Amino acid sequence: KQEVTQIPAALSVPEGENLVLNCSFTDSAIYNLQWFRQDPGKGLTSLLLIQSSQREQTSGRLNASLDKSSGRSTLYIAASQPGDSATYLCAVRPYNTDKLIFGTGTRLQVFP
Amino acid sequence: NAGVMQNPRHLVRRRGQEARLRCSPMKGHSHVYWYRQLPEEGLKFMVYLQKENIIDESGMPKERFSAEFPKEGPSILRIQQVVRGDSAAYFCASSPLSSTDTQYFGPGTRLTVL
Repeated sequence: KQEVTQIPAALSVPEGENLVLNCSFTDSAIYNLQWFRQDPGKGLTSLLLIQSSQREQTSGRLNASLDKSSGRSTLYIAASQPGDSATYLCAVRPYNTDKLIFGTGTRLQVFP
Repeated sequence: NAGVMQNPRHLVRRRGQEARLRCSPMKGHSHVYWYRQLPEEGLKFMVYLQKENIIDESGMPKERFSAEFPKEGPSILRIQQVVRGDSAAYFCASSPLSSTDTQYFGPGTRLTVL
């Protein structure tokens, strides 16, 4: 059974720091891995999608890597800003299924 | 191109009533997914539908819950005889194709059962 774990559960940092959020999954048989952002009381915004054949994806200050064989992904946020404060979720899509399996998220607070 | 739309955004029901949650996918998307987020928990898959077909309902409780995606109109998640444990945020997502495409999420419906 696929399980997705995110560490740390919460993180509070001063503005400007570079951050690494971790995601691990137990079964490497996945189509892709996706990182989302969720603001309080709001829906999910897709940040980056990494296909199983890819190693990383970049968008602006965000960089996500995928090591499928070891069951790990990291989301790197450069030069963090208060506007980055949100919960970050990773989700994997296992083979032979169309559903996403989510981690419980990392709650990030960036203070000025 | 409008995003995934869900309504209502907030729904309050008393125990025993019915709740109907609606989801309109993005234009051109024919695949719809429903997820539930219980308080202080992660999102859990409930059901995956294509037009007029339920493809995977492995995450949906066997009783009281049903879903449909008719040929015309939005997808509907229906909860009969709601109980307090049904209080959660229900999110709908859509994609143009399955498997490798991004799922785009709606803003969610927050159901509160009194």
